[in-house]
Amino acid sequence: KNEVEQSPQNLTAQEGEFITINCSYSVGISALHWLQQHPGGGIVSLFMLSSGKKKHGRLIATINIQEKHSSLHITASHPRDSAVYICAVRSGHKLIFGTGTRLQVFP
Amino acid sequence: ETGVTQSPTHLIKTRGQQVTLRCSSQSGHNTVSWYQQALGQGPQFIFQYYREEENGRGNFPPRFSGLQFPNYSSELNVNALELDDSALYLCASSLDTGGRNEQFFGPGTRLTVL
Repeated sequence: KNEVEQSPQNLTAQEGEFITINCSYSVGISALHWLQQHPGGGIVSLFMLSSGKKKHGRLIATINIQEKHSSLHITASHPRDSAVYICAVRSGHKLIFGTGTRLQVFP
Repeated sequence: ETGVTQSPTHLIKTRGQQVTLRCSSQSGHNTVSWYQQALGQGPQFIFQYYREEENGRGNFPPRFSGLQFPNYSSELNVNALELDDSALYLCASSLDTGGRNEQFFGPGTRLTVL
C-alpha cells in the first residue's frame, strides 16, 4: 500500500463545476503539499499546509491531521485548470508523493 | 516561473553509459532535492543536499550520486544506466532542510535510456 493515496486517479469536469481531489496518508508528516504538474513536466507548488485550511483564488486546500486526510477543491473550474494534481507529504528529509489526479476540464 | 533551471531538457543515452544532470537553484536557496518520476507515477525522492553535503537519501542504489557546489547549483550523476532509469528527473530547491519552506521545482530533464 502506498504511503500517500490520492483519489480519484482521473477526473473529468465541465467548465464551472466544483472539483474535489482527496489525499490520504499513513505516515507522520510535518507538512503536506499540493502541487500542479502540466504536460511537459513542470511542477508548481500550490499550497503547503500543516493544519487547517488555505485559500488562493479559486483553490482551497484543507487538512485534517487526526484523520490523515487532505482535500484540494477547485471552484468554478476552467479548462486551464486541466493538469495533474499531486499530493505530497513531508516526512523527515523527503517528500513522499501520491501518484496524482489527472483533471480534464472541458468547455 | 520558479527560478530553478535544469539542463539539459531532454537526453538520450544507451544502457551502461553514464549521465550528468544539472540544476541551478533559486537564488539564496541552500537545499536541493532530486526526484525521479517514471511515466504515470508520482516523483520518488532520490536524495537531498544541504550546504554541499548529502542530507538524506531515498531507496536508490549508489550508482545515483550527487554534488552540490558552493553557489548551490547541483548535479545528479547516474552510472551504468539501466533501461528503468528512463524517467523525468526533477530538482527542487528550498531555503532549509526542515520542510518549513516551500520547495521550488525545476522544469525537469527527461532521460531516455535505450
